[in-house]
Amino acid sequence: QVLLVQSGADMKKPGASLKVSCQASGYNFLSHGISWVRQAPGRGLEWLGWVSAYYAKTNYAQKFQGRVTMTTDTSTSTAYMELRSLRSDDTAVYYCAREYRSGDYDHWGQGTLVTVSS
Amino acid sequence: QSVLTQPPSVSGAPGQRVTISCTGSSSNIGAGYHVHWYQQQLPGTAPKLLISADTNRPSGVPDRFSGSKSGTSASLAITGLQAEDEADYYCQSYDSSLTHWVFGTGTKVTVL
Repeated sequence: QVLLVQSGADMKKPGASLKVSCQASGYNFLSHGISWVRQAPGRGLEWLGWVSAYYAKTNYAQKFQGRVTMTTDTSTSTAYMELRSLRSDDTAVYYCAREYRSGDYDHWGQGTLVTVSS
Repeated sequence: QSVLTQPPSVSGAPGQRVTISCTGSSSNIGAGYHVHWYQQQLPGTAPKLLISADTNRPSGVPDRFSGSKSGTSASLAITGLQAEDEADYYCQSYDSSLTHWVFGTGTKVTVL
């Protein structure tokens, strides 16, 4: 079955960088893009960006342009999301999700809680 | 704030029908981009795809859930409301001005 397994919870200081991994299994990693979505405490879902191993392309939300990088490693079917210059309002649960066709996410990782605090 | 606006909350008694609106603009829903809907049972847990491409239910989603779209808005309807439907619901569409996907503001459904 399709599984997306994310790296564990992390705690960072303001100004630092975080890198979350998302290892996919149960399907052809090249056939579907991976998007990243976050949810701050008490807030709604926020789309961060998308990465495609097949097309070697990315698309980032304007809000995060210049601060986020999404990559893939096809040898391990793993997607990565790096966010730099962390602030306290980056504290959130970060999810990776498989794009089924066009922007619809049919499988999600379990989420990674990232806490940014001094 | 999101470019897709949803009511903060809706409620209904078991068995009733409730609808959740998702209001956008000419740069997203009104431009013909697909709308997807997600259910999140608890904040901090992974959302579940409920409706794909405006009206399509993925395998395993009960037919009590249905989606529709008209003009610059979309709607999710839940008929025969059940206690287990109590959750947060989010719409999603592509915005051509932002050039990326966006989620709606979210709606909490309460079963009375």
